[in-house]
Amino acid sequence: QVHLVQSGAEVKKPGASVKVSCKASGYTFTGYYMYWVRQAPGQGLEWMGWINPNSGGTNYAQKFQGRVTMTRDTSISATYMELNRLRSDDTAVYYCAKAGWTLVRGVGGWFDPWGQGTLVTVSS
Amino acid sequence: EIVLTQSPGTLSLSPGERATLSCRASQSVSSSYLAWYQQKPGQAPRLLINGASSRATGIPDRFSGSGSGTDFTLTISRLEPEDFAVYYCQQYGSSPETFGQGTKLEIK
Repeated sequence: QVHLVQSGAEVKKPGASVKVSCKASGYTFTGYYMYWVRQAPGQGLEWMGWINPNSGGTNYAQKFQGRVTMTRDTSISATYMELNRLRSDDTAVYYCAKAGWTLVRGVGGWFDPWGQGTLVTVSS
Repeated sequence: EIVLTQSPGTLSLSPGERATLSCRASQSVSSSYLAWYQQKPGQAPRLLINGASSRATGIPDRFSGSGSGTDFTLTISRLEPEDFAVYYCQQYGSSPETFGQGTKLEIK
């Protein structure tokens, strides 16, 4: 069974950085894109970008360009999302989600499953 | 980027009733690459439908999806108490894979 397990909640001060991990199991880690999505309190879902776990290639939403870095460690089937220069409006639950089709088919696909989410609170 | 607009914002119905949720795209969604997700409070979204009309594994057959081009619909034939949640549509035909703003399905 496919599982994505994320790291625990974080509290950060404005200007700091946070790194969230997402550990995958139950499938070929390097065979599927991994996406990151965030959800501010009471708000909808916001696409942040993806990483190709095979090549390490990434694509970020323009909004986060220059502040976000997605990486992976294939030895432990984990992906990471690091967000820098945190602001109060970065307070959100951050999710990783596996692409629904193999990367041989190209980027894209539905998201299934999702990690359980990691709450990042930015407060002075 | 493709903008998805969901309607209504909130839908108030009773258990046993039929729910119809709409998702309209700002431009045609290629190959009907549209998904629906259900999200309950404190939980991650769960995939219900992909390819506009294919139910994900384990999803009850009271959930059905339809549509193509720019207009898509999620129908829940007879609402069960556990169906009251927020529903999101998502297009994955072009990057970024955008989401609608959500429809909250609440108990009347």
